[in-house]
Amino acid sequence: QKEVEQNSGPLSVPEGAIASLNCTYSDRVSQSFFWYRQYSGKSPELIMSIYSNGDKEDGRFTAQLNKASQYVSLLIRDSQPSDSATYLCAVNWAGGFKTIFGAGTRLFVKA
Amino acid sequence: GAVVSQHPSWVICKSGTSVKIECRSLDFQATTMFWYRQFPKQSLMLMATSNEGSKATYEQGVEKDKFLINHASLTLSTLTVTSAHPEDSSFYICSAKQTNYGYTFGSGTRLTVV
Repeated sequence: QKEVEQNSGPLSVPEGAIASLNCTYSDRVSQSFFWYRQYSGKSPELIMSIYSNGDKEDGRFTAQLNKASQYVSLLIRDSQPSDSATYLCAVNWAGGFKTIFGAGTRLFVKA
Repeated sequence: GAVVSQHPSWVICKSGTSVKIECRSLDFQATTMFWYRQFPKQSLMLMATSNEGSKATYEQGVEKDKFLINHASLTLSTLTVTSAHPEDSSFYICSAKQTNYGYTFGSGTRLTVV
């Protein structure tokens, strides 16, 4: 089992809709969870970080964490064409600095 | 805050030559930096963890004699790709973590070996 898994997509949503991106991780003592956005040919940029169970909202973005079920998700409300990118889920486990990335989900927002 | 500068942004080199990539934390001190490689349409793969003042920790399958890492100060880590070959062509990205921030990435270096 891969340590961090994401559906590669592409996920296509119409402009204004809610985009839902999911990520599951292997059963280890997890600590920190991150969502990054990466445009083609560019480095990833941090969108959200979440450390405890529940929801965390920041503008149009909501991260959801469920440690019992080992998943973390990202909701993008009122999706815009500029949100079209690859979204990377990343997990940092307790006891180490290493961050493991999922393969990413490609999102297309159609105008 | 938490800005990481990476240089150069792109480089083309001849097969067999060496290339050095610099990663600087501009507004914070980074005792640990990370080097990733990303092939087209693939995810980031951690190559090594760079520790200030000590040897880097390499991931399994990464040749430490080929990818030389130096982290001589709290704001600078360098990655040298030695005797580069076309299969080393990739997007190399560094990152660092500042307290209370997630991991901040440099802008990346696209290496093409011809």
